[in-house]
Amino acid sequence: KAGVTQTPRYLIKTRGQQVTLSCSPISGHRSVSWYQQTPGQGLQFLFEYFSETQRNKGNFPGRFSGRQFSNSRSEMNVSTLELGDSALYLCASSLRGLGAGNTEAFFGQGTRLTVV
Amino acid sequence: LAKITQPISMDSYEGQEVNITCSHNNIATNDYITWYQQFPSQGPRFIIQGYKTKVTNEVASLFIPADRKSSTLSLPRVSLSDTAVYYCLVGYLGNEKLTFGTGTRLTIIP
Repeated sequence: KAGVTQTPRYLIKTRGQQVTLSCSPISGHRSVSWYQQTPGQGLQFLFEYFSETQRNKGNFPGRFSGRQFSNSRSEMNVSTLELGDSALYLCASSLRGLGAGNTEAFFGQGTRLTVV
Repeated sequence: LAKITQPISMDSYEGQEVNITCSHNNIATNDYITWYQQFPSQGPRFIIQGYKTKVTNEVASLFIPADRKSSTLSLPRVSLSDTAVYYCLVGYLGNEKLTFGTGTRLTIIP
């Protein structure tokens, strides 16, 4: 069974550009959530999608957005990139949707974004 | 948001039991406690989840006292492959109030 696939693995962008990251969840999983990981702030929750609907959103500016398609694949978009957006972006998939009582999710290897 | 404190790093010898404690003083009533393991250049991997008392699975045990203000991850008989960063999470994935600990870098010494 294939795991969570994130593409691309590495990306270098210039300040002011926008970027789109992709996440393919484990087959049958309907929940996809996104996280940002930096040395300074650690792991932070961005948003979660379940059956194409955004269910929760973390404390990030509106430049960070996402969507989920009918096949559960998800994309994350960051517009007007800033140097501080350099991070490892992780997505995680879960079978039944995340919530109290279910915190088990499967993470991809992440996309390392560098903004120069 | 729950404030979470973990030791920054720990060292242990192979074959020993390792206990990593996480402090979460203002945990909410419906928050779960979850531990993840992360190797360099990889995403976190689920280890164990609990709400109260003790939970055990094939790789670890999780001890949560009655007041739930702390939790302890116990790894029995560690090996070199257990060298990783261990994160304590309070809340649940996908919730905007989810709080990750800063992580404990565990180094296993041969």
